[in-house]
Amino acid sequence: DAGITQSPRYKITETGRQVTLMCHQTWSHSYMFWYRQDLGHGLRLIYYSAAADITDKGEVPDGYVVSRSKTENFPLTLESATRSQTSVYFCASSGTGGPYTEAFFGQGTRLTVV
Amino acid sequence: SQQGEEDPQALSIQEGENATMNCSYKTSINNLQWYRQNSGRGLVHLILIRSNEREKHSGRLRVTLDTSKKSSSLLITASRAADTASYFCATGTIQGAQKLVFGQGTRLTINP
Repeated sequence: DAGITQSPRYKITETGRQVTLMCHQTWSHSYMFWYRQDLGHGLRLIYYSAAADITDKGEVPDGYVVSRSKTENFPLTLESATRSQTSVYFCASSGTGGPYTEAFFGQGTRLTVV
Repeated sequence: SQQGEEDPQALSIQEGENATMNCSYKTSINNLQWYRQNSGRGLVHLILIRSNEREKHSGRLRVTLDTSKKSSSLLITASRAADTASYFCATGTIQGAQKLVFGQGTRLTINP
């Protein structure tokens, strides 16, 4: 199915464990993004990617690692999960229609670190 | 810190009334977008307004942009129960138009 999908939808992990959130899009969009959503903070950008093998930090990158070996995939890894990383994570993508393009969001991954 | 801030944080109105939400931002922008988020779901794009535009319409939505005041407003006319959601403004700067920075959102409740 066309679109942007995230997996898993829900994840519970323990402090100190490594966890990877997956994001896959079928539009061949150039740009992909990871946001986290917390009460009182809205959405904050963690990392983004302008193309395969090109990634850059957003507003809150500490504790996260990303990679983009293929255009369609943009996994987000928490190397050693902490309770402060409990959040809802959204992946998004946008195309190459110049600077005036909308972003398409996945359904989100609710991560709980215990 | 976040680029956009929305006002009010929460708004509750009767079905059929108009709803107005405001967004202020800090730096020069390339475009401003509005998104809707239903509870537990991802964000859905509503409308985009370019920095050289002052007003834009889409169905029951009307967006205005005042770059001199660094502010935007979203008007939803003739509200419906299905409009109940959170609404976010997002800005793309001149340096990074696609790298959207979101405000904290306005929680809109439409009462039947």
